[in-house]
Amino acid sequence: DAKTTQPNSMESNEEEPVHLPCNHSTISGTDYIHWYRQLPSQGPEYVIHGLTSNVNNRMASLAIAEDRKSSTLILHRATLRDAAVYYCIRGTYKYIFGTGTRLKVLA
Amino acid sequence: GAGVSQSPSNKVTEKGKDVELRCDPISGHTALYWYRQSLGQGLEFLIYFQGNSAPDKSGLPSDRFSAERTGGSVSTLTIQRTQQEDSAVYLCASSRIIDQPQHFGDGTRLSIL
Repeated sequence: DAKTTQPNSMESNEEEPVHLPCNHSTISGTDYIHWYRQLPSQGPEYVIHGLTSNVNNRMASLAIAEDRKSSTLILHRATLRDAAVYYCIRGTYKYIFGTGTRLKVLA
Repeated sequence: GAGVSQSPSNKVTEKGKDVELRCDPISGHTALYWYRQSLGQGLEFLIYFQGNSAPDKSGLPSDRFSAERTGGSVSTLTIQRTQQEDSAVYLCASSRIIDQPQHFGDGTRLSIL
């Protein structure tokens, strides 16, 4: 199983939108795209997931490319509490985690 | 809250001892998963349960690792004859059915001296 590819780190100013990219070029037709985030000393927290169409929930939006080889997690207004490691995961039940993107939010 | 509960939260033991890690999934969740997170690394899949059976044990690192689930609820991950490389955070997750989003506990931090 191939891992997804994400930038190691990103920075954002508070109250500004954040776009976290992810490449999953080997994704299969049945694989969902999941996004989780993890704070220190805590387990990963579910953010959002999708298959083909763009998805919105109270936490974030997920934009999936038409060919499904990439996706972008969008935090509409970053807050200090959004600082975490964000993981993009492809798969069904067997999550394959990469090293994630460490998001730093500047006050 | 009614999230995934893991115990103990921390465990320190001597090399060569056996350890048992416990996971209480969210009530009604039929699928349960174990992962391991080593220092500075991402999460590594170990095993998953559908009900009491484990269709995929492919991630268990060696035959010193085993897991069981009883009553479709609580699961125990057992590591026999622990080695220093077993030191990691062991995370459990559950989902209502397979393919639904997984909900994680906060893990058991295992340290082998």
